[in-house]
Amino acid sequence: NAGVTQTPKFRILKIGQSMTLQCAQDMNHNYMYWYRQDPGMGLKLIYYSVGAGITDKGEVPNGYNVSRSTTEDFPLRLELAAPSQTSVYFCASSVRGSGNQPQHFGDGTRLSIL
Amino acid sequence: GQQLNQSPQSMFIQEGEDVSMNCTSSSIFNTWLWYKQDPGEGPVLLIALYKAGELTSNGRLTAQFGITRKDSFLNISASIPSDVGIYFCAGPETSGSRLTFGEGTQLTVNP
Repeated sequence: NAGVTQTPKFRILKIGQSMTLQCAQDMNHNYMYWYRQDPGMGLKLIYYSVGAGITDKGEVPNGYNVSRSTTEDFPLRLELAAPSQTSVYFCASSVRGSGNQPQHFGDGTRLSIL
Repeated sequence: GQQLNQSPQSMFIQEGEDVSMNCTSSSIFNTWLWYKQDPGEGPVLLIALYKAGELTSNGRLTAQFGITRKDSFLNISASIPSDVGIYFCAGPETSGSRLTFGEGTQLTVNP
């Protein structure tokens, strides 16, 4: 049971570099989400998508971009990495909107920017 | 936007003790979700509550949907070391597309 798969698990970037965090789900979920979690803090929503071709900003979208070309994949891109983006990034998915459908999370990508 | 306030922020208990934590909001929620995050992993759903007054159990965990719809409680009985982690409450935003998460309760269980 793969569920939500995130790659890579760890990454160190230099300031100004770019990278893409990958997220894939095999549950045929329409909704997908990207969160960041800073040490000792809760989850902050970066971007989300309600279906292929549709994305929307969350609480903290600045410095990130997303795309949703397929139902399964929802990559998150950092164009110019900054130290403030050092965090743990979680991808999640749900069948429909989260009103009565809980989100399923991946195991996270731990990103350090030096 | 909507905010969820969790308390306490952290708890240090002895193995075998019972634990209570709660989550409150200034606005009404129609669903309450409780997640647990083990160290180094993503959050995992523990209990989902869909009806005011609902009391639901999952093993040693029991959660309640407050009658006012503005709060929820999670209790853990006879704690064990593997209960260590961060417990988050969550509820859907008005739009229904997004979840609002609390800041979490960090639980430490001493053997």
